[in-house]
Amino acid sequence: EVQLVESGGGLVQPGGSLRLSCAASGFTFSSYEMNWVRKAPGKGLEWLSNIGGNLRTIYYADSVKGRFTISRDNAKNSLFLQMNSLRAEDTAVYYCARSRTTGGGLDYWGQGTLVTVSS
Amino acid sequence: DIQMTQSPSSVSASVGDRVSITCRASQGIGSWLAWYQQKAGKAPKLLIYSASSLQSGVPSRFSGSGSGTDFTLTISSLQPEDFATYYCQQANSFPITFGQGTRLEIK
Repeated sequence: EVQLVESGGGLVQPGGSLRLSCAASGFTFSSYEMNWVRKAPGKGLEWLSNIGGNLRTIYYADSVKGRFTISRDNAKNSLFLQMNSLRAEDTAVYYCARSRTTGGGLDYWGQGTLVTVSS
Repeated sequence: DIQMTQSPSSVSASVGDRVSITCRASQGIGSWLAWYQQKAGKAPKLLIYSASSLQSGVPSRFSGSGSGTDFTLTISSLQPEDFATYYCQQANSFPITFGQGTRLEIK
């Protein structure tokens, strides 16, 4: 069974940093692109970043480029999101999600981890 | 970036009704379009990929159509568990973008 479990969320002050993790199981992790997506309170889904299975490709949304860094450890079946210079508008539930190998779409999602940026 | 615009933003319907939600891309995306369902406090669930392909395990009352810039998600006979928010998403190019969402409410 495919499982994605996020951790690392919490309360952080503006300007602070946080590192999110996503533990994957039930599939060959290195064969899949992985993504981070967030949902802020009262807003819609926002894609943040994608990383290829072989780490050769990385993409970011403009809203987080230069502040957030996606990475993965295929040996440990883990995905990460390093978030720096956090702002109040980064407050959201953060999800990791697996890309389908064909046809587009994100087919498996974690349960999400809440990040609150507030003083 | 490709902008995705859904309509309506919200819709009220009854159990058994047929409901359609539309999604328009700001430029052609072929069939690189996915649909998701999200319930409050839960992760999104993939319903449709490649504009019209049903994700494994999704009931057949959900269907998708369209290509290029105009797409439609149709629920043929609403069930109580279908009341949720629905999002379209383009997978044609990065950055991936979502529509603003359509809230499906019970009439």
